[in-house]
Amino acid sequence: AQRVTQPEKLLSVFKGAPVELKCNYSYSGSPELFWYVQYSRQRLQLLLRHISRESIKGFTADLNKGETSFHLKKPFAQEEDSAMYYCALSLNKFYFGSGTKLNVKP
Amino acid sequence: DVKVTQSSRYLVKRTGEKVFLECVQDMDHENMFWYRQDPGLGLRLIYFSYDVKMKEKGDIPEGYSVSREKKERFSLILESASTNQTSMYLCASSPVEHFYEQFFGPGTRLTVL
Repeated sequence: AQRVTQPEKLLSVFKGAPVELKCNYSYSGSPELFWYVQYSRQRLQLLLRHISRESIKGFTADLNKGETSFHLKKPFAQEEDSAMYYCALSLNKFYFGSGTKLNVKP
Repeated sequence: DVKVTQSSRYLVKRTGEKVFLECVQDMDHENMFWYRQDPGLGLRLIYFSYDVKMKEKGDIPEGYSVSREKKERFSLILESASTNQTSMYLCASSPVEHFYEQFFGPGTRLTVL
């Protein structure tokens, strides 16, 4: 069963527009959720984790247990945000979603 | 600065060959992972190891095996490569206290002809 779902394969927005990358998870307990990012020709790296409630590069993500969601948001997208974004769930193993490619157009 | 290195960036093998993918990390991490990355499927965990000589199956272990004889090295073995194993293979490591903070290697793009 798919533990982490990212419904959008590609998301295109204009520079300065708000962006929201969707992530839904399947788990009934208290999840540990993360966002990873892969910029072009770079390694996959941790962007943020829900428990720290921090903002990294202007991105935030809020855990909504009622909707079992962990959407990634940024109020004003920049061209350098263009990348592949993966939502991940940590249980006894690590589960990644299928990824969303964000394309920020000038 | 954590460094995870993989033995090859690109590899081309023939069907039926035995393939070894090597991964080395230099941060004394206990946990190591092998994933394959395919478009539309994201990352899928093949195997992981939380200590030397220990291994656990991930979601798609069929057709693969692993070896961890030393803490810094985690090898992925394709016993008899098949065309459906053509993929990008990513290795990662993480410390025991922060399982989630995985540091990834650059990846090996394997093509099986």
